[in-house]
Amino acid sequence: AQSVAQPEDQVNVAEGNPLTVKCTYSVSGNPYLFWYVQYPNRGLQFLLKYITGDNLVKGSYGFEAEFNKSQTSFHLKKPSALVSDSALYFCAVRDWNSGNTPLVFGKGTRLSVIA
Amino acid sequence: DAGVIQSPRHEVTEMGQEVTLRCKPISGHNSLFWYRQTMMRGLELLIYFNNNVPIDDSGMPEDRFSAKMPNASFSTLKIQPSEPRDSAVYFCASSDSGTGFLQPQHFGDGTRLSIL
Repeated sequence: AQSVAQPEDQVNVAEGNPLTVKCTYSVSGNPYLFWYVQYPNRGLQFLLKYITGDNLVKGSYGFEAEFNKSQTSFHLKKPSALVSDSALYFCAVRDWNSGNTPLVFGKGTRLSVIA
Repeated sequence: DAGVIQSPRHEVTEMGQEVTLRCKPISGHNSLFWYRQTMMRGLELLIYFNNNVPIDDSGMPEDRFSAKMPNASFSTLKIQPSEPRDSAVYFCASSDSGTGFLQPQHFGDGTRLSIL
């Protein structure tokens, strides 16, 4: 079985400060991990993914995420938050050995960046 | 690329009516997903297709829901009869899963459905 948890429903950060949106996962094998962002009245947009290789993954809009196997985490980070980063963020996971099982999405974390 | 196209963007109808949501995936993508998003339940996978064949429909809530993919460029999600609790935003997504779901899903902008 595979699952993903986003422990925070809401994250507030001041503009210019670093931001972190947390994600932990559970898979029986090796994980494929994704981050998506959803702006109001839009569909989810892909930000970045981890498949294999470097633990630090860089993605769109200056976001990056760090894969930590020992802590089973894949936290999303950005060094300096912008007001325009305010949105709903989803972490998703898939076990590489799960056949036809597609991604499992977390419940989402709402990020508010305050000017 | 035009992206995933969903229609209509908004639908308001009365309880008991049939509702049909439409999706055109990105050309060349061979997997298609239907999701439902509500405040209470978050994002739920309803059904997905691979090469036009339904692979997993375990997320379809009831027999009132059905989905078809008659060809690689078109899919429908139908609710008959509709009920107020079906009110939600319905998303369609597509991906190129030829390498084992390594590629991201591309989402349409959704259909906001309101059942009165």
